[in-house]
Order: sequence, then C-alpha cells, then structure tokens
Amino acid sequence: QIQLVQSGPELKKPGESLKISCKASGYTFTDYAMQWVKQAPGKGLQYMGWINTQTGKPTYADDFKERFVFSLETSASTAYLQINNLKNEDTATYFCARRGTTTGGFAYWGQGTLVTVSS
Amino acid sequence: DIVMTQTPSSQAVSAGEKVTMSCKSSQSLLYSENKKNYLAWYQQKPGQSPKLLISWASTRESGVPDRFIGSGSGTDFTLTISSVQAEDLAVYYCEQYYDTPWTFGGGTKLELK
Repeated sequence: QIQLVQSGPELKKPGESLKISCKASGYTFTDYAMQWVKQAPGKGLQYMGWINTQTGKPTYADDFKERFVFSLETSASTAYLQINNLKNEDTATYFCARRGTTTGGFAYWGQGTLVTVSS
Repeated sequence: DIVMTQTPSSQAVSAGEKVTMSCKSSQSLLYSENKKNYLAWYQQKPGQSPKLLISWASTRESGVPDRFIGSGSGTDFTLTISSVQAEDLAVYYCEQYYDTPWTFGGGTKLELK
C-alpha cells in the first residue's frame, strides 16, 4: 500500500536549520509530485509548494520562497524539506502529501513532523 | 491566488443532526473543458493527518460513508453530513486545485452541543 513516512519531531533554536524527510513507498516515486503543507499549532492548513519528482524542480508558494528548500533523493524515494535560519513562527507540523491517481485531492499524507523553534 | 472562505468557523452539533458547511472561492473552480470542479474536502481529527473525503466537489473517496455529501459548482460549495455521528467531530477543510498555488479554506470545526 502507498505510504509516506516522515522523520521524527525536531526541537531547534532560532537561527538553526533543519531537514525533514518524507519516504514514499508502494508506488513509483517519480510518477507523482510531492507536496508540502504547514500547519501551525491550532491553525489551518497552509500550502507550501511542491517538487517535481522527475526533474527535481521545486515550486514555492509566496510565503515560502525564502529559507525553504525542497529536494529529493530519488534513489531512496525520499523528499526533503529544509528550513534555514529558523524563526519562532516556523513552529508547526509539516506534512508531505501526494495527490491520488484519479482523485484530484491529496489522497496520501505523511504522518506529519512537529517542528518546535524555541530559545 | 484563489482565496477560499469557509463558514461557519465552528458549529455545535448533536448526534443525528444534519449539518451543512460552506466553502466559497474567489474565482470559479469549474474547468469548462471537462465540466469538473477542482474542489476537495478533507476531515482532520486532533493529532492526525487530514483525510480526503471528497474530490471534484462531489465524488466521495472509497470507504467514505455516504452520509458525507459534497455539492456545488463554480464558486459556491457545500459539504453536508446527513446525520452526524460522534466520530465526525473534527475540522473540515476545503481545498482548490484549479490553479497553483493550491489553497485551503480556514476550516469549519464541528463540536458537540
């Protein structure tokens, strides 16, 4: 079955960097783009952008064009989200997600990675 | 960017009640070539990832109970739960995938009355 498994929770200080992983299984990794979604504590879902898993080209939503980097390790069917120069407002759960084969919506989600930024 | 507006932001319900929630988009999500509305609904329970309930505004995902009904077209959409069950208490989000960046509504939280 299709699974997206993310790396574990992170506790970081402001100014540090981190890299979250999202390992896909149960399908051909390069057949579908990988999307990223942010959810701040007690808040709604915010779309961050996506990465083309065939070309590696990332596309970022406006709020995520600085400090955020999407990347791939195709041989390991893994997508990464790197956040540089962490700020308190980056405290959130970050999800990777994939659209369904025939469905339009995000049919598959990772379990989420909680990132806490605190001095 | 397409703005998605959900109302109400929260709603208190009793088991067995019929519930409706609204999602409005700032521009039409109806693609003329295939007559499909590029609108999805998700359910999110505390501590869990969102779960896709409905795509194309009205197509239920496999395994989703038929009490969940999506309707609407263009810019106005509705999610109806015909008879709310205790396990339906959650936050519901709409999402447009008509144009990038994809955008979510702010959510409607169903609470127990």
